[in-house]
Amino acid sequence: DSGVTQTPKHLITATGQRVTLRCSPRSGDLSVYWYQQSLDQGLQFLIQYYNGEERAKGNILERFSAQQFPDLHSELNLSSLELGDSALYFCASSVDSGGTGSPLHFGNGTRLTVT
Amino acid sequence: TQLLEQSPQFLSIQEGENLTVYCNSSSVFSSLQWYRQEPGEGPVLLVTVVTGGEVKKLKRLTFQFGDARKDSSLHITAAQPGDTGLYLCAGAKGSTLGRLYFGRGTQLTVWP
Repeated sequence: DSGVTQTPKHLITATGQRVTLRCSPRSGDLSVYWYQQSLDQGLQFLIQYYNGEERAKGNILERFSAQQFPDLHSELNLSSLELGDSALYFCASSVDSGGTGSPLHFGNGTRLTVT
Repeated sequence: TQLLEQSPQFLSIQEGENLTVYCNSSSVFSSLQWYRQEPGEGPVLLVTVVTGGEVKKLKRLTFQFGDARKDSSLHITAAQPGDTGLYLCAGAKGSTLGRLYFGRGTQLTVWP
């Protein structure tokens, strides 16, 4: 058990809809990362928050947004969903802001299916 | 385009065989990590290598970081069915803080 909790485990929704994915980091970790994993692209970095502030941005679409709350849990909001957004979405956490090779602790992911 | 290219993409071997997985890039990384992922779960860190030329051993697994810090390899000796999984390499660049660049992974299946 990594200590990172992601909900829900599965999500099935229709195109055009909006969903929210939730992540609780490991106790004591200040950074939260969101990654998208698809068969053709592998694990792609979306965004990082450190202690409530956005720290780094990757290939995140404008339709997607995220935030980290004062209790350090994070939410990833996906809107105007398209079929191509179907993927596994992983949250990971680390103790510091990264860049030092700090290990990431991954949750078990949310499988999003857009129909 | 992937910064890190892993090969092979798939590997199917018999128990007891040895294997090597490669992770290559034209970019320099400040550190490189190897993760293993099983179905329905998130990746789990196996090792972090930081110094060029560094070799780390974890039981039957040997990890090496290239001298120029652009590539890495994972060697498994006497593979067992329990080694089955998706092996991912991930590189960190000091300029991009905590962002990791992942390879697409090597799916290893070890048959009893």
